[in-house]
Amino acid sequence: AQSVTQLGSHVSVSEGALVLLRCNYSSSVPPYLFWYVQYPNQGLQLLLKYTSAATLVKGINGFEAEFKKSETSFHLTKPSAHMSDAAEYFCAVSSNQAGTALIFGKGTTLSVSS
Amino acid sequence: GAVVSQHPSWVICKSGTSVKIECRSLDFQATTMFWYRQFPKQSLMLMATSNEGSKATYEQGVEKDKFLINHASLTLSTLTVTSAHPEDSSFYICSAGVQSANYGYTFGSGTRLTVV
Repeated sequence: AQSVTQLGSHVSVSEGALVLLRCNYSSSVPPYLFWYVQYPNQGLQLLLKYTSAATLVKGINGFEAEFKKSETSFHLTKPSAHMSDAAEYFCAVSSNQAGTALIFGKGTTLSVSS
Repeated sequence: GAVVSQHPSWVICKSGTSVKIECRSLDFQATTMFWYRQFPKQSLMLMATSNEGSKATYEQGVEKDKFLINHASLTLSTLTVTSAHPEDSSFYICSAGVQSANYGYTFGSGTRLTVV
């Protein structure tokens, strides 16, 4: 079975500050890991994904995440927060087997203040 | 590429009626489609996995007679909420796995269902 745990349901930062959203995974097989962003009343947008290539993954909008097997973590970071980054962020895990679903964490709400 | 079109984007229905949500893969063949449900300010919960030409596999606690899933072709999967009640009001999202060198998942834009 696979699962992800997002530490912190709500993170608040100031504009220009570092963004750090935490995600730890549990998987009995090599995981594929994803970060998605969701704006109110909208669908999901993929920020980045790890599929067993480089452990440091760069995504859109300046976000990046590092896969750390020893820590079973895949934390999302951005050096400098923008107001437009305020949204809901979901970490998700799947296996590399065809036909397996993404399993989502509970989500983290990011607030950005000016 | 790999676009999933989901319709309707929102629907309001009366209690006791049924609502059908469609997800079409526009430029690829979706052998497998996943259906999720999202309550306000909560995460996406996997409801079921549908495979083309076979019965859907439902997650524990999801009523298969209430949430009918049909995946009759490689480009169309439907979710029908039967005899809807206010507690079925939610955001429903479909997703297809994309098996390619750029492995990933593509999501529909979601359907906001309100049962009154």
